[in-house]
Amino acid sequence: GAVVSQHPSWVICKSGTSVKIECRSLDFQATTMFWYRQFPKQSLMLMATSNEGSKATYEQGVEKDKFLINHASLTLSTLTVTSAHPEDSSFYICSARGPNGQPQHFGDGTRLSIL
Amino acid sequence: QQQVKQSPQSLIVQKGGIPIINCAYENTAFDYFPWYQQFPGKGPALLIAIRPDVSEKKEGRFTISFNKSAKQFSLHIMDSQPGDSATYFCAAGWDTGFQKLVFGTGTRLLVSP
Repeated sequence: GAVVSQHPSWVICKSGTSVKIECRSLDFQATTMFWYRQFPKQSLMLMATSNEGSKATYEQGVEKDKFLINHASLTLSTLTVTSAHPEDSSFYICSARGPNGQPQHFGDGTRLSIL
Repeated sequence: QQQVKQSPQSLIVQKGGIPIINCAYENTAFDYFPWYQQFPGKGPALLIAIRPDVSEKKEGRFTISFNKSAKQFSLHIMDSQPGDSATYFCAAGWDTGFQKLVFGTGTRLLVSP
């Protein structure tokens, strides 16, 4: 089946640093990738949608200068949290979708803790 | 218009029982309704999905019932097992284009042995 790998699975860093999270589709070409944020015991909130080679489309209220998304190839998208602060601590999850009506497949998420 | 309301928030059933989770949507333009299962510390996994041209879909022990006129859909888990204990999310979206999804608030299911 379709596999989406997300790395790292857990990261702890100091306030003010930038953190990059990678999302890879391992066995299919992901024409569209999505980034979600999930707080404990809450639902998934879509942050942005990206197509390979295009600028990401951000949801209302998501700071595009804070959360930089790059979808440089059909198998890789990255999310960079710039100048991270404790309020950015959360569970970040990516998903990927191939062409021709394929459903979204999710990675296992990255738990980000900012001290 | 973009909300998907999910109930109950939590559910406890005995092994072999049939938990039912309900969702309601507002936007009649939605044409894709998936259900996801999420274990702690993991990403959601697609269980089953339905489109509005059918009223029911079964895959293994999982069944979706869909009521287009009421704008409601539900997940039934037959012969539930302790391994089914997880959080379940319904979602609604558009199957064409990017397939953006709006997620329900989640139901934490516990299946007791």
